[in-house]
Amino acid sequence: GAVVSQHPSRVICKSGTSVKIECRSLDFQATTMFWYRQFPKQSLMLMATSNEGSKATYEQGVEKDKFLINHASLTLSTLTVTSAHPEDSSFYICSARVERGGRHEQYFGPGTRLTVT
Amino acid sequence: DAKTTQPPSMDCAEGRAANLPCNHSTISGNEYVYWYRQIHSQGPQYIIHGLKNNETNEMASLIITEDRKSSTLILPHATLRDTAVYYCIVRPPTGNQFYFGTGTSLTVIP
Repeated sequence: GAVVSQHPSRVICKSGTSVKIECRSLDFQATTMFWYRQFPKQSLMLMATSNEGSKATYEQGVEKDKFLINHASLTLSTLTVTSAHPEDSSFYICSARVERGGRHEQYFGPGTRLTVT
Repeated sequence: DAKTTQPPSMDCAEGRAANLPCNHSTISGNEYVYWYRQIHSQGPQYIIHGLKNNETNEMASLIITEDRKSSTLILPHATLRDTAVYYCIVRPPTGNQFYFGTGTSLTVIP
């Protein structure tokens, strides 16, 4: 159990366009999901925390108007990169949190490779 | 904030045990030690976690020192597929998201 999927796995878009990435928890409900970004040869950097039914909380330095996050249901969160530019090219990874045995466990999606040309 | 220190890279011969160290000298009493790994271009994969006792599962063993200031992840018989970046993370049992440090890049050599 505790499978997280992302769609698409890879996307190429032109500069100035917007692209949406979906994150789904397949066999559990996640009230909280997280979005990370990873540049080549670097570690994962947390971008934002997404809570179902409320506004996302963004980490310092992450533009909330550029990276729109929607968490409309307990199994789906979306990240929309608006007016994408080449410097937004990165590996985007989501994770979903579930409570198990009094602890919060976190499961990660397979990632989405975004290339902006 | 990453609260752990790991060596940037390690090599291990195929079939031998891989011992990956992690220092977490500022760990709090209720914080768990988690280990994840990331194979190239994939999402992080959960390996194991522990509080103060040593833990073992089908993937690995986790040895936590008595003072909990450091731990070691042991892959008992490393294979080429274990080549990945291994992340050691400390966090409380509830709440906070994971903050990733730089991890250890493990290369298993044939």
